Amino acid sequence: SQQGEEDPQALSIQEGENATMNCSYKTSINNLQWYRQNSGRGLVHLILIRSNEREKHSGRLRVTLDTSKKSSSLLITASRAADTASYFCATDGGNFNKFYFGSGTKLNVKP
Amino acid sequence: DAGVIQSPRHEVTEMGQEVTLRCKPISGHNSLFWYRQTMMRGLELLIYFNNNVPIDDSGMPEDRFSAKMPNASFSTLKIQPSEPRDSAVYFCASKLAGGFNEQFFGPGTRLTVL
Repeated sequence: SQQGEEDPQALSIQEGENATMNCSYKTSINNLQWYRQNSGRGLVHLILIRSNEREKHSGRLRVTLDTSKKSSSLLITASRAADTASYFCATDGGNFNKFYFGSGTKLNVKP
Repeated sequence: DAGVIQSPRHEVTEMGQEVTLRCKPISGHNSLFWYRQTMMRGLELLIYFNNNVPIDDSGMPEDRFSAKMPNASFSTLKIQPSEPRDSAVYFCASKLAGGFNEQFFGPGTRLTVL
């Protein structure tokens, strides 16, 4: 399978703490994307990192990419209860149009 | 823009019945994707279209599943006959083809086959 795999499967933290989730994948990529899914909703794009980038920031989000290890991490700083959701990484497997999603990390931020 | 629109939002049907799910992509997007999400298998890509043409349907589980995109603003996913194991949430997503572009997901259709 070319799917990305997230780790951990579930994460529970207190509001204000940082949350880190990891993604590993198997094939070469053009880009890797992170998405969030609130319960009962569709996925929402958070951030995209290209294969030639090592780190990217967007607000409280920080994404790193290590293509030599085929891994990425998503850091959410100063988490809020509203960040409670499932987070997925998606890799394009070298094809800009076909994405493979991992099984997701379920984040619970306790107020 | 209203985003990706899917209908119906919920569908309950009996085994053996035909089910048709509908999707309207974001105007101007020329790639469209159908996904299925279950607890057991996660989010699976079923098929995707570029410029209304099916490009990769390798994820379509069986011949019971078919998808069409008659024009740039409408796509259907049909299951005939439906089976209980088809119960899942089906998502449609659209994007601009190629390049470093994000996918925009619809709210999904929750299908229950009894």
